[in-house]
Amino acid sequence: AQSVSQHNHHVILSEAASLELGCNYSYGGTVNLFWYVQYPGQHLQLLLKYFSGDPLVKGIKGFEAEFIKSKFSFNLRKPSVQWSDTAEYFCAGGDTGGFKTIFGAGTRLFVKA
Amino acid sequence: SAVISQKPSRDICQRGTSLTIQCQVDSQVTMMFWYRQQPGQSLTLIATANQGSEATYESGFVIDKFPISRPNLTFSTLTVSNMSPEDSSIYLCSVEAGDAGGKLFFGSGTQLSVL
Repeated sequence: AQSVSQHNHHVILSEAASLELGCNYSYGGTVNLFWYVQYPGQHLQLLLKYFSGDPLVKGIKGFEAEFIKSKFSFNLRKPSVQWSDTAEYFCAGGDTGGFKTIFGAGTRLFVKA
Repeated sequence: SAVISQKPSRDICQRGTSLTIQCQVDSQVTMMFWYRQQPGQSLTLIATANQGSEATYESGFVIDKFPISRPNLTFSTLTVSNMSPEDSSIYLCSVEAGDAGGKLFFGSGTQLSVL
């Protein structure tokens, strides 16, 4: 069955610390992978996406994610977080066309100033 | 990009009543999706709504409980029928970006509390 799992439900970091949020997926065929972010009081929005090609994808606000097919992983990273990165982060996977996008449980990140 | 307007933004309802949530998109889209986000949980797809055909429901969701309308390419409604406290959740409307890449745009959500 298709699934997306996120390892951490809550993460607390100090400013300037490095961030890595884990995401594993289980899909039978070609999969598109996404990270979405929801800042407090705002809509969900796309952070970055992977379709094919270079497994290291860069998104907005200094975030990047690496697709490792052998590990079925798509972890999100940022070398130095800021207080404004406090948000909830969702990993998601979908088949081509977005007919059915499955979301992970989400990770709440709190960055201490 | 797509701008999605969803209303109401929040509501408090009595058990046994129904609430209709509206979703308006600023461009024509083929597919619209309705998600539910229960407290402390992730987004769960309720159904996919295509214009001119019946919505396709995911396992665990039925049309009698969550009837959906899709009268045109820019609008859809989701009704939560015969509500119970277990229906308290955030309901989100979503559309695909249109680049066939699966990117989704989301509305601001409707926070529903059922007493």
